[in-house]
Amino acid sequence: DAEITQSPRHKITETGRQVTLACHQTWNHNNMFWYRQDLGHGLRLIHYSYGVQDTNKGEVSDGYSVSRSNTEDLPLTLESAASSQTSVYFCASSEGQGGNEQFFGPGTRLTVL
Amino acid sequence: GESVGLHLPTLSVQEGDNSIINCAYSNSASDYFIWYKQESGKGPQFIIDIRSNMDKRQGQRVTVLLNKTVKHLSLQIAATQPGDSAVYFCAENKVKAAGNKLTFGGGTRVLVKP
Repeated sequence: DAEITQSPRHKITETGRQVTLACHQTWNHNNMFWYRQDLGHGLRLIHYSYGVQDTNKGEVSDGYSVSRSNTEDLPLTLESAASSQTSVYFCASSEGQGGNEQFFGPGTRLTVL
Repeated sequence: GESVGLHLPTLSVQEGDNSIINCAYSNSASDYFIWYKQESGKGPQFIIDIRSNMDKRQGQRVTVLLNKTVKHLSLQIAATQPGDSAVYFCAENKVKAAGNKLTFGGGTRVLVKP
């Protein structure tokens, strides 16, 4: 069955370190998204991609970057981790234009000390 | 699994009763409005959507109502079951040529009492 996976599931890192969170989907979806979920803020969009070599900034993109070299993967990199980036991160994917149904991964809990 | 203990409005419902979850949206230009369900320790899951030119849509045990005059969206769950305990998010989608991008609301926690 097609799925979307995230790794690691839990990560503890120190301030200033570079961290990469992996997201892999086997739906063959063009669209992929990264969100963070914090107390009192629900889901906020970090970056998204509509296809290979396409990346776009979301509403909270500062301090994060993504790259899309193939259809299946959209890794999220924290260039220099900050305590404010402690959060739960969700990756999602969806079909092409107009797709309201996004398929979410299980999430990665990141703690920056 | 992952979950976040969000400080959310909470709706307590007796098992078997109907639930109504409300959402106020901001963007009148949105093309679709969508409801997602997030169970503890999991990522959100699509429930139902409604196009902006409609005012009602029914699914299995769920009904979504859209009132564009007051920018209000609601999700009704019939005969609420213990498995309906979750956090529910509304979302908006303004479809563009390049693709879709959702904007999520803050969420409501539903607790089903046996």
